[in-house]
Amino acid sequence: AQSVTQLDSHVSVSEGTPVLLRCNYSSSYSPSLFWYVQHPNKGLQLLLKYTSAATLVKGINGFEAEFKKSETSFHLTKPSAHMSDAAEYFCVVSDISSSNTGKLIFGQGTTLQVKP
Amino acid sequence: ETGVTQTPRHLVMGMTNKKSLKCEQHLGHNAMYWYKQSAKKPLELMFVYSLEERVENNSVPSRFSPECPNSSHLFLHLHTLQPEDSALYLCASSQDLGGRVNTEAFFGQGTRLTVV
Repeated sequence: AQSVTQLDSHVSVSEGTPVLLRCNYSSSYSPSLFWYVQHPNKGLQLLLKYTSAATLVKGINGFEAEFKKSETSFHLTKPSAHMSDAAEYFCVVSDISSSNTGKLIFGQGTTLQVKP
Repeated sequence: ETGVTQTPRHLVMGMTNKKSLKCEQHLGHNAMYWYKQSAKKPLELMFVYSLEERVENNSVPSRFSPECPNSSHLFLHLHTLQPEDSALYLCASSQDLGGRVNTEAFFGQGTRLTVV
C-alpha cells in the first residue's frame, strides 16, 4: 500500500529565508508525487508534480522539489519565503495499484507560517 | 481559477434537510472526485467517477448520494446529515484516472458545509 508522511505539521519561517517542507512516501511502484497548496477557505492548487522524468521538479511561485528514491523523500523547497506563501501544503502520492482507481493519497498537511 | 466550479460555497443545513452540492468542469476531463476535508484530518476520498460511471465508493454512509449525469457535472446529494458531517467538501477532476495515466487532479474551491 502507498502512503505519505509529512514530517512537520507546522513550519514557521521569516520572510526572505528559505523554506523546507519535508515529505516521505512509501510505495511498491514507481510513484507519481505531487505538492498541492491550499490558502485559507480555498481549494487545492497544484504546485508541482513528479512523474518519473527529471528528479528535480520546478513548480509555480519559485517552489521546487527533489525526488530521492534512496531516501523515499520528496521535500519541497523555496529559496526565499514570501508573505503570500503562508498556507497549508499537502504532499500527495498517486495510487497506481492494480485497481487503477486514481486514488490520490494525501499527507496530513504542513501549515507554513511566514513572519515579517 | 482551476476550471472546476463548486456551488454553493457555503451551506448551513439542519439534520432533517435535503440539499445538493454541485460541481462543474469544462476541462474535458473524464474523471471526477468528491473529497471530504475535516479539521485536523487528511483529505478523505469519498467517490470516484470515470466516464460517468462510479468506480469507487469509500465506505461512505448512504446519507451521501453522488450523481454524475454527464462528464462535466457531479452532484452530491445530502439528507439526514449529522453534525460530524460538517466539513469542506472538495470536488476534483482529472484527465483520466491517475492510476492509468499520471495526471494531476484539479480542485474546486469547495463547499463549506455546516450541519446544525
